[in-house]
Amino acid sequence: GNSVTQMEGPVTLSEEAFLTINCTYTATGYPSLFWYVQYPGEGLQLLLKATKADDKGSNKGFEATYRKETTSFHLEKGSVQVSDSAVYFCALSDQVYKLSFGAGTTVT
Amino acid sequence: NAGVTQTPKFRVLKTGQSMTLLCAQDMNHEYMYWYRQDPGMGLRLIHYSVGEGTTAKGEVPDGYNVSRLKKQNFLLGLESAAPSQTSVYFCASRRQDRGLNEKLFFGSGTQLSVL
Repeated sequence: GNSVTQMEGPVTLSEEAFLTINCTYTATGYPSLFWYVQYPGEGLQLLLKATKADDKGSNKGFEATYRKETTSFHLEKGSVQVSDSAVYFCALSDQVYKLSFGAGTTVT
Repeated sequence: NAGVTQTPKFRVLKTGQSMTLLCAQDMNHEYMYWYRQDPGMGLRLIHYSVGEGTTAKGEVPDGYNVSRLKKQNFLLGLESAAPSQTSVYFCASRRQDRGLNEKLFFGSGTQLSVL
């Protein structure tokens, strides 16, 4: 079946530090890949996405590249701010009607 | 534009009690979902619907029932609550148009405790 594996947290960083959250996936076919972010007390919201191999998704200074050869979609940001404190979820969609989520990584 | 609205936001139940969680969306989305979020396990799909009058099981459907009588509403029912159902529940919806690439819109969640 399909699955997403994220690095375990929590991750604690100083302001302006570099952030990387690893995400690898297992899927049949050619899934679309997503990063969602959950701020305290809120629902999830889409941060970025990539729909095919070698695509790079980017938003709010965050980037992730769809690597088919390593089945990975790692999230990076060069200089984090306090406002980036949140839970980050990697997800994949290989069927029109549903997504599979990773366990989430808490970043403080 | 309200988006996805969940009610209630918080609820405490005793074991064996029943309740219904309501999800309403005003974006005319075809697909709707119920997820539960537990520490260390991320979001797991309980049930979903691809259109009015249709429902299907997700990863963890046991102990839950759903109904989608109207396109804009998706109800999640617990007939006999158990402590294992203590969780945060999220409703989400998405459009059908762009298939795999379409993003989910989430509600703000319902914190349910079963004692």
